[in-house]
Amino acid sequence: DQQVKQNSPSLSVQEGRISILNCDYTNSMFDYFLWYKKYPAEGPTFLISISSIKDKNEDGRFTVFLNKSAKHLSLHIVPSQPGDSAVYFCAASALTGTASKLTFGTGTRLQVTL
Amino acid sequence: EAGVAQSPRYKIIEKRQSVAFWCNPISGHATLYWYQQILGQGPKLLIQFQNNGVVDDSQLPKDRFSAERLKGVDSTLKIQPAKLEDSAVYLCASGNYGYTFGSGTRLTVV
Repeated sequence: DQQVKQNSPSLSVQEGRISILNCDYTNSMFDYFLWYKKYPAEGPTFLISISSIKDKNEDGRFTVFLNKSAKHLSLHIVPSQPGDSAVYFCAASALTGTASKLTFGTGTRLQVTL
Repeated sequence: EAGVAQSPRYKIIEKRQSVAFWCNPISGHATLYWYQQILGQGPKLLIQFQNNGVVDDSQLPKDRFSAERLKGVDSTLKIQPAKLEDSAVYLCASGNYGYTFGSGTRLTVV
């Protein structure tokens, strides 16, 4: 049962353009969402998060949008840079006090071309 | 701030052998996690510790996997006996919500 889905395994974008990575979830108990970035041979690195009480969170070139009614979130990277080439994982959590188990999607490999 | 340390980085073993992984979390982090990432999939939680107590081990295959966290700091994850399907990257993380992952241990079972 895949509760967090990233339906695009890969995405290629030109440098300077916008990258949009999508994620869908099925569990309505999820109320905190995160994006992680992973380079080869390294662990995932936390990128940005959003709580279900918001519909947008911005941090520099990265913006995450949340549509609760559609159970959909997206990560926008503007402008895209070659260093952004990595695998991006969407993750979700049901906040239960200090318990913060994350359920991850399968990842989207982003390639930013020159 | 030092990151999450894991060792070894790589391990190759034969099936039915045993293996152990070590993790040292970020200093002061009470919560520690072990995740398994199989190639082409997202990380999956195996076990979560709060200090030295287990919070969630519902997805840990307890017939072959075990984990402990001594004195609420370092943790070890053991597999005995290993199966081919245990080939994966084992990631340790610490903190809450946007937590920090280590670089992982890549296990290959042949």
